[in-house]
Amino acid sequence: DTEVTQTPKHLVMGMTNKKSLKCEQHMGHRAMYWYKQKAKKPPELMFVYSYEKLSINESVPSRFSPECPNSSLLNLHLHALQPEDSALYLCASSQALPLNTEAFFGQGTRLTVV
Amino acid sequence: DAKTTQPTSMDCAEGRAANLPCNHSTISGNEYVYWYRQIHSQGPQYIIHGLKNNETNEMASLIITEDRKSSTLILPHATLRDTAVYYCIVRVPLYNFNKFYFGSGTKLNVKP
Repeated sequence: DTEVTQTPKHLVMGMTNKKSLKCEQHMGHRAMYWYKQKAKKPPELMFVYSYEKLSINESVPSRFSPECPNSSLLNLHLHALQPEDSALYLCASSQALPLNTEAFFGQGTRLTVV
Repeated sequence: DAKTTQPTSMDCAEGRAANLPCNHSTISGNEYVYWYRQIHSQGPQYIIHGLKNNETNEMASLIITEDRKSSTLILPHATLRDTAVYYCIVRVPLYNFNKFYFGSGTKLNVKP
């Protein structure tokens, strides 16, 4: 199983809503990532979890709250978002160091904030 | 901070080789070059990676210059399904995870 599964595939939420994005992998990867991708732009790193601990927060606003409840799951909790937060949110996973391997990406959640 | 620069777009005739260049002049000795592609807002798909030697797999070849400041991804016989955005990425190993720095990407248009 070399899949990273993200749910939901599409999400429309109001600016006062609270919602969560979910990501799951069963490859035994201990590094998991959240990326944000705006239209016609490359993915931008938001958060990195390594061994279930937050290792990188790329100065992401607090209305985005990540959570890694176990080694297979990664959540992104959303609250009080703005319309400019509308984007494709991508989850990825990889082996932690020192193994030389690629990152596997999910198909993303298309988020629209209204 | 992007560590790679790529042309914005390229055209290629179907059946011909597609050669996609990438500059990574500030790459460090332990940083790998990775290539991914993204088809119409799906998740990025891994293609190939390398450190300093040329690499080949069933999808593509990766040619890295001796000074490691640039590389070229080669799709030997491009098909219409290869139309996608191709990202050249530098993988930076940190203490217990990797950080992947995406370039701006090259939109490859394969034409009949």
